[in-house]
Order: sequence, then C-alpha cells, then structure tokens
Amino acid sequence: DAGITQSPRHKVTETGTPVTLRCHQTENHRYMYWYRQDPGHGLRLIHYSYGVKDTDKGEVSDGYSVSRSKTEDFLLTLESATSSQTSVYFCAIRGSSGGAGTSTDTQYFGPGTRLTVL
Amino acid sequence: AQSVSQHNHHVILSEAASLELGCNYSYGGTVNLFWYVQYPGQHLQLLLKYFSGDPLVKGIKGFEAEFIKSKFSFNLRKPSVQWSDTAEYFCAVNAGNNQGGKLIFGQGTELSVKP
Repeated sequence: DAGITQSPRHKVTETGTPVTLRCHQTENHRYMYWYRQDPGHGLRLIHYSYGVKDTDKGEVSDGYSVSRSKTEDFLLTLESATSSQTSVYFCAIRGSSGGAGTSTDTQYFGPGTRLTVL
Repeated sequence: AQSVSQHNHHVILSEAASLELGCNYSYGGTVNLFWYVQYPGQHLQLLLKYFSGDPLVKGIKGFEAEFIKSKFSFNLRKPSVQWSDTAEYFCAVNAGNNQGGKLIFGQGTELSVKP
C-alpha cells in the first residue's frame, strides 16, 4: 500500500461543467502522475508533477490541467468536461527502491476515480 | 516515440494451463520493464519489474517474465494458472534516461481462467 487515496471515487457530471479530481499521498513522494484508462488503450499519461508547482504534460493532456500546491496533493481539473473524458482516472506515485530520483523507481497506483460525463 | 504492444487482447484458459502473455516494445536504449495486474474493480498492482541483471525475473503469485533484449520482448509466464488469476494484465516500459519516469503502457490483455 503506497498510501494513495483518490476522491471522489465515482462521479457523474454533465457536459460543460468543471470537474476536479484529487489525489492525496501520505509518504512525501516527489513524483506524482495522472493517467486515464480506456478499453483498448491501456493507461495513458495525462500530466505529471516532479515537485510542488512543477508539472509537465503527458501524452493526452488536451482538455486537462493540474496543480500541486503542496507535496501531498495533486489535483486534476477538467475545465469543461466532454463525453470523451468519460474514463477511469488513476493517480500514481513514484516510489524508490534504490534511492529517490534513481532510475530504479517504480510507480504505485491509487484506487481510481470513475468519471462519467453525460 | 516509445510504444508497447501486447498482442493478445483476450486469453481464455482452463485452470492448471500454462500462461504466456506477449509484450514487445520499441526503444533501442536502456529500458525498465514492468508487468502490472488489475483484478476486476481494483487498481493496478505491480507483479514484477526488470531494471538490470538476470533477464529472468520472478514476481508475486508465481509469475515470472523474461527480458530478451534482441527481440525487444518481456513476456509474462506462469506454469499453472488459477481461477483467481482472472484479471487484466498490463506491460509497461520507461526509457532508462527518462527523467520524468513516465511509463508507456501496452493495451492490456484480459485473462479469463475457467474453473
């Protein structure tokens, strides 16, 4: 258990509304990631963070923004949700098996948030 | 760009059958390789990983994987599957020089084990 929680766990919203998903970790990891999971696509990286206020885009960042104002929280925002953003969203942290920042780090995943945009 | 391919989308086996799931990646440099498992309704859990050393890696629950550099492959194996192995399996790769530690995932393979 990597001490990751996600909230909410389920959400149904309407097209055009803003949505914010929260990822919270308790172990002071530097790197955090947001992925979306869709059938036939596996998991695809949306954004990631390498420290407080330090973020970068992933493979499928259009329509999403992120913020990290403190180490333990990484927020994913859909400014105006669309039906194509219906998905399961997973947060991950990068743990260390060989010291922080080494290439031996491994990602551990949170429980996921199922988002439906009607 | 890196990519990961899992050729089997859905595999159906009977209990006690042997399992091999294919994973191929496209990147010519140093890679770190992972297999994750997702049981129905749950989050991804790490099965095993390869960073360096012995190319035959053993993971949890009797799974193992073999890294064959010349074939750009990292296939997952289990000699005898159980009904409880029913899940979706994901192969993932990151380049050794990837400072962000970003993972590229395959499409996933759904395994159904019949009792």
